[in-house]
Amino acid sequence: GAVVSQHPSWVICKSGTSVKIECRSLDFQATTMFWYRQFPKQSLMLMATSNEGSKATYEQGVEKDKFLINHASLTLSTLTVTSAHPEDSSFYICSARTMVNTEAFFGQGTRLTVV
Amino acid sequence: DAKTTQPPSMDCAEGRAANLPCNHSTISGNEYVYWYRQIHSQGPQYIIHGLKNNETNEMASLIITEDRKSSTLILPHATLRDTAVYYCIVRVRGSNYKLTFGKGTLLTVNP
Repeated sequence: GAVVSQHPSWVICKSGTSVKIECRSLDFQATTMFWYRQFPKQSLMLMATSNEGSKATYEQGVEKDKFLINHASLTLSTLTVTSAHPEDSSFYICSARTMVNTEAFFGQGTRLTVV
Repeated sequence: DAKTTQPPSMDCAEGRAANLPCNHSTISGNEYVYWYRQIHSQGPQYIIHGLKNNETNEMASLIITEDRKSSTLILPHATLRDTAVYYCIVRVRGSNYKLTFGKGTLLTVNP
């Protein structure tokens, strides 16, 4: 299957700072990327969908000014958690797909800990 | 997208077949059945999908009942590395491709 890479795999940051997570499709052009969040012992929750060159579409309850998503190229999307707080500590996972009717592939996830 | 029901956990002996059931009684005619799995602290991994015919690939087989109200994912020879949470998801193919994850089934493969 296609490869999606996330960086960093884990990050610890101080409360009030911002953290950027990168998601790259390594061997295909991703027209659409998805960002998920997963709290311990819970399932994945979709945060937002981004199409290359367009503004992201956020799910209900997700603050777009806090979770900034940029999908400026067909191989890279970034998620920036602004003014992070301990409650933002979670496992963040991106997913990417190419054209319609192809499967989505997931990155390995980023463990964010805000102290 | 139709809801799915999966048992919260299952056990399987190493080397034996693992059969994971999924109920999707409200599935629509244009909705596919997808299976993903998530090994602890990793991103989900696509396994297989199907519409109404049984499907097989290098990872698993998918058996869909004739009325499409349920399906079974079969791992023919489970290994310890197959221990993971398995998610059954039904959705229309070609839509905005939102994957809505339920709680899945934690499959534990025992030596």
